[in-house]
Amino acid sequence: DSGVTQTPKHLITATGQRVTLRCSPRSGDLSVYWYQQSLDQGLQFLIQYYNGEERAKGNILERFSAQQFPDLHSELNLSSLELGDSALYFCASTRGREAYEQYFGPGTRLTVT
Amino acid sequence: AQSVTQLGSHVSVSEGALVLLRCNYSSSVPPYLFWYVQYPNQGLQLLLKYTSAATLVKGINGFEAEFKKSETSFHLTKPSAHMSDAAEYFCAVRASGTYKYIFGTGTRLKVLA
Repeated sequence: DSGVTQTPKHLITATGQRVTLRCSPRSGDLSVYWYQQSLDQGLQFLIQYYNGEERAKGNILERFSAQQFPDLHSELNLSSLELGDSALYFCASTRGREAYEQYFGPGTRLTVT
Repeated sequence: AQSVTQLGSHVSVSEGALVLLRCNYSSSVPPYLFWYVQYPNQGLQLLLKYTSAATLVKGINGFEAEFKKSETSFHLTKPSAHMSDAAEYFCAVRASGTYKYIFGTGTRLKVLA
């Protein structure tokens, strides 16, 4: 158990819908990363937050957005969902600015039908 | 720009044989390098990391990796494979001074009895 929690574990929704994925980092970790893992694209970095502020952006679509709240949990919002958005979404947390180790949550499996 | 290449999307070894998973990186600045393991239906778990200290890095479960700057490689090895090592392995790079982690496409290790 990494100490990172993600909810829900599974999510099935229809095209065009909007969903919110939630991540709680390890106690004391200030930074949260979001990743998308699909069979054809591998593990893609989406976005990183540090202590409530956006720190780095990767291959995140405009239909996707994220935020980190004062209690340090983070939410990834996916809207206008398409079939191709079906994937595993992971969040990971690190302790601070220069921390190296990422601790991954168990993931949310999103299926868009 | 950073990138990671993992040679061989699938590797099979016999139980007790040497495990060698290859990773080459590209980074314009000194890199931090990581190996993660992912078991089915789980998140990624850190095996080991290189952060500019010793070039030979020992990790969990008997794995180790050697940073070779001249070859831009960070191959993962284990002297004797165990059935429980069957999983997918990811190499990742983070350039110093940045916060983005770039992951390779993964190598699925199969251990034959």
